[in-house]
Amino acid sequence: GAVVSQHPSWVICKSGTSVKIECRSLDFQATTMFWYRQFPKQSLMLMATSNEGSKATYEQGVEKDKFLINHASLTLSTLTVTSAHPEDSSFYICSARRASGGRSYNEQFFGPGTRLTVL
Amino acid sequence: LAKTTQPISMDSYEGQEVNITCSHNNIATNDYITWYQQFPSQGPRFIIQGYKTKVTNEVASLFIPADRKSSTLSLPRVSLSDTAVYYCLVGGANNNDMRFGAGTRLTVKP
Repeated sequence: GAVVSQHPSWVICKSGTSVKIECRSLDFQATTMFWYRQFPKQSLMLMATSNEGSKATYEQGVEKDKFLINHASLTLSTLTVTSAHPEDSSFYICSARRASGGRSYNEQFFGPGTRLTVL
Repeated sequence: LAKTTQPISMDSYEGQEVNITCSHNNIATNDYITWYQQFPSQGPRFIIQGYKTKVTNEVASLFIPADRKSSTLSLPRVSLSDTAVYYCLVGGANNNDMRFGAGTRLTVKP
């Protein structure tokens, strides 16, 4: 149990286009989802925290109008990279926190990641 | 918010025990310590979590001293497939702080 999926697993787009990445908790309800970005050989950088039914909380330096996050249900959050540019090319990872239960506090279940390449 | 500090990299050989220590001097009373493993181009994977003393599961042990200002992840008899980046995170049940530190890149050699 506790599987998180991401779609697509990779995407290549032209500069100026928008790309939507989906994050789904497949077998549990997630009150909170997190979005990260990771550049090669670097750690994960938290972009935003998303609670179901409310606006996402963005980290300092992350443009909320460029990285649109929607957490419309307890099993789905989406990240839309608007007007993507080559510098937005990165590995985007989501994680979900189980609404209740689970083997431990604060346990996050991570998706497999989405590789975005902007040409 | 508790900041974590880990060694940037470690090398080991197959069959050895590996201990990775994480410092978190300003850990809060309700914070838990969680360790994750990440392979290239994959999302992190939960390894173990603890609050104090010692926790053991099927893949690792976690040692936490009484002052909780550090923790040590112990991997028994590592194999080549344990080559990965290991992250420790500190946070509480109601704390949405899930910021990763730099992590420790473990390389297991034959």
